[in-house]
Amino acid sequence: QVQLQESGPGLVKPSQTLSLTCTVSGDSIISAGYYWTWIRQHPGKGLEWIGDIYYSGSTHYNPSLKSRVTISIDTSKNHFSLKLSSVTAAETAVYYCARDRRQHLVRHAFDIWGQGTMVTVSS
Amino acid sequence: DIQMTQSPSSLSASVGDRVTITCQASQDISNYLNWYQQKPGKAPKLLIYDASNLETGVPSRFSGSGSGTDFTFTISSLQPEDIATYYCQQYDNLPRTFGPGTKVDFK
Repeated sequence: QVQLQESGPGLVKPSQTLSLTCTVSGDSIISAGYYWTWIRQHPGKGLEWIGDIYYSGSTHYNPSLKSRVTISIDTSKNHFSLKLSSVTAAETAVYYCARDRRQHLVRHAFDIWGQGTMVTVSS
Repeated sequence: DIQMTQSPSSLSASVGDRVTITCQASQDISNYLNWYQQKPGKAPKLLIYDASNLETGVPSRFSGSGSGTDFTFTISSLQPEDIATYYCQQYDNLPRTFGPGTKVDFK
């Protein structure tokens, strides 16, 4: 079955860039009909959509983060990545990657999630 | 951004109880709404998509309804393994947004 696994540093210093990778196994990342997504959850809080990418490289970002976020995809390695620059302590959160299943062109659902990775921003 | 609200924010119920959670969108989102279950320390899990469709493998005691701005999520008979936080999520517009969650525990 399809599985997603996040990886990257668990500790990032303020003002630096947070970098995470999500490796997809069990299916090709270039399968049509899926957007590859990053979502975060601050400790004890709700869920915040960061952005997504299609295998073509087309991206969408949350406007609240747009100036600092870059999502990229490496189809040869079957993974996609998140970079968030100029981080502050407020970015401390669990970061999830997820598959956004698109059906009938307009229907979407996050149907498969990684286990999540805790990232702490601290000096 | 489309704002999602949920009520109640938490509830306590007994095994076998019927549990209902409501979700309201700040504007008409048709039926572009999903429901997720999140257990402590785990990733969310998709339960209901397109407001009322049960995801494959999800028990039939879970259901959803609604359209426009008002939605309902129901557990027909609460089971011990249903203790979790439940989130609604809209996908009518970008950015995708989630409700604040409803925590369900045992009375």
